[in-house]
Amino acid sequence: NAGVTQTPKFQVLKTGQSMTLQCAQDMNHNSMYWYRQDPGMGLRLIYYSASEGTTDKGEVPNGYNVSRLNKREFSLRLESAAPSQTSVYFCASSSPSGQPFYGYTFGSGTRLTVV
Amino acid sequence: DAKTTQPPSMDCAEGRAANLPCNHSTISGNEYVYWYRQIHSQGPQYIIHGLKNNETNEMASLIITEDRKSSTLILPHATLRDTAVYYCIVMDRGSTLGRLYFGRGTQLTVWP
Repeated sequence: NAGVTQTPKFQVLKTGQSMTLQCAQDMNHNSMYWYRQDPGMGLRLIYYSASEGTTDKGEVPNGYNVSRLNKREFSLRLESAAPSQTSVYFCASSSPSGQPFYGYTFGSGTRLTVV
Repeated sequence: DAKTTQPPSMDCAEGRAANLPCNHSTISGNEYVYWYRQIHSQGPQYIIHGLKNNETNEMASLIITEDRKSSTLILPHATLRDTAVYYCIVMDRGSTLGRLYFGRGTQLTVWP
């Protein structure tokens, strides 16, 4: 099925450990995004990528790095995890401005707990 | 800055219309109104969007006031599966790649 695939779905880390969240889309979208969602809150943008080879900071980029590996894949890395990064992480993709817009497609999320 | 104001919660009887309001009094001329919903623990799902005309699709209708300062999402025959958090977002499609800024949304509970 076409869509956005995130891995892993669940992860528990110890403080100071590192990990990479993976995201891949098969819709030929140019733009990709990483959001985090804390309990009772809306989504906050961490980083986004307009196209392959470009990335930019969103609202809450501190403590994260991203890589747009190719058009399909956009990964989020936590170099030294902190309890404040306990959250649900969503990846999304969309077609670029000027193209027919069919909304954003989100992945099913990665639930990360840092202890 | 989510730029929109929504009631934190609403409820609706199954089979009745659910009307979810959104205030976006500072919307600019080239900003669209988008609605998404998030069913418990899942990724947000696109519902509908519009600029100034009313819009309808298979999921819902969007009514935008003439001054564009507010809008209403209408689910014509709500079902239990429509229980979700609904987000109203304004976005300029022509800038910043369409980054979405989500507020806390409205928790809609549909009861039997």
